[in-house]
Amino acid sequence: GAGVSQTPSNKVTEKGKYVELRCDPISGHTALYWYRQSLGQGPEFLIYFQGTGAADDSGLPNDRFFAVRPEGSVSTLKIQRTERGDSAVYLCASSPGLPRTGELFFGEGSRLTVL
Amino acid sequence: QKEVEQNSGPLSVPEGAIASLNCTYSDRGSQSFFWYRQYSGKSPELIMSIYSNGDKEDGRFTAQLNKASQYVSLLIRDSQPSDSATYLCAVNEGTYKYIFGTGTRLKVLA
Repeated sequence: GAGVSQTPSNKVTEKGKYVELRCDPISGHTALYWYRQSLGQGPEFLIYFQGTGAADDSGLPNDRFFAVRPEGSVSTLKIQRTERGDSAVYLCASSPGLPRTGELFFGEGSRLTVL
Repeated sequence: QKEVEQNSGPLSVPEGAIASLNCTYSDRGSQSFFWYRQYSGKSPELIMSIYSNGDKEDGRFTAQLNKASQYVSLLIRDSQPSDSATYLCAVNEGTYKYIFGTGTRLKVLA
């Protein structure tokens, strides 16, 4: 399809392991976002990319979290030394940019469970 | 980080009634406001955007914005059971960052 694609859809890992979550945005969308959503909460902003650069990474909780978008399309969210508190659904969204910058198109999410 | 607040609900309305969902925000500089719908186990989908004070209508949905009161609302007319979902309010912080509320769970009773 032509929507935002996220893989894996589910990831179960052990505390202390390294995890990578991948996002393939809608073709032509220049903006890409990562959010994290816990049960009963709204999406929590993590990081925003415009092109290849991270324009705003103020939402990353600590230095265990890192994200890249090397060619301005696919993005990978990387989590080192996972903790049980990292368990959540990680949502990726892309946006067509100006003048529709706030129109976010979300993928189905990657559910991360840290045991 | 600025705040976006919503009543978590659940808000229960009978089929055919008007559902009224409310959202307040703390950043006086916010200029862009959005309503997303999220079905259980699914990702959010955009249903309305509003940028100017007043009302904006799209089918059964009406978004209302009052920047002076820092208040945005969503009205759903002729509510249907298929409208049962969590409704998320999102507000811009700066140019490209969007902050979401916790969402209001709506239940439309058949």
